[in-house]
Amino acid sequence: AQSVTQPDIHITVSEGASLELRCNYSYGATPYLFWYVQSPGQGLQLLLKYFSGDTLVQGIKGFEAEFKRSQSSFNLRKPSVHWSDAAEYFCAVALTGGSQGNLIFGKGTKLSVKP
Amino acid sequence: ETGVTQTPRHLVMGMTNKKSLKCEQHLGHNAMYWYKQSAKKPLELMFVYNFKEQTENNSVPSRFSPECPNSSHLFLHLHTLQPEDSALYLCASSQVRRGGTEAFFGQGTRLTVV
Repeated sequence: AQSVTQPDIHITVSEGASLELRCNYSYGATPYLFWYVQSPGQGLQLLLKYFSGDTLVQGIKGFEAEFKRSQSSFNLRKPSVHWSDAAEYFCAVALTGGSQGNLIFGKGTKLSVKP
Repeated sequence: ETGVTQTPRHLVMGMTNKKSLKCEQHLGHNAMYWYKQSAKKPLELMFVYNFKEQTENNSVPSRFSPECPNSSHLFLHLHTLQPEDSALYLCASSQVRRGGTEAFFGQGTRLTVV
């Protein structure tokens, strides 16, 4: 069965420090991978997505993610975290590229930012 | 308005009540979705509607009843809910086609069952 694992439930980083959030997926075919962010009391906003091609994808707000097929991973990174990045981050996989709303999500990683 | 709008934002209901959640998308998409977000559990896909037809029901109890009268509106009718149904209910939309678009989410309805 398809699944997404985010091994870190909660991460705290200092403002200005680099960030890496981990995501591993289990899916037999070529995955369609996404990172979403959710601020408190809000819905989900797409940060970036990967379907094919260059394995390093750039997203909004200075985020990037790297797809590594050999490790079944799609980790999210940011070189310098801002206080406004404090939120919950969700990795997800879509079963088809044509229906990208049919998603399997990880449990999320909550990011706290220290001043 | 733009994007995906959900009403109400907050709802408290008793276990014997009947209520409905509403979702409206202004993006011209042809697919709409209901997700449930509970504490300490992953977001769970509940229902999928493509071109107003329900194409997926992920073993959701019958006390949740979706309705999609057109491609812009989606409802979730609730009756005789249980306290464990308390959660954030998120609506999303996307364009389903070869190549498709990503899902756009509403801000959710925070439901509390008492």
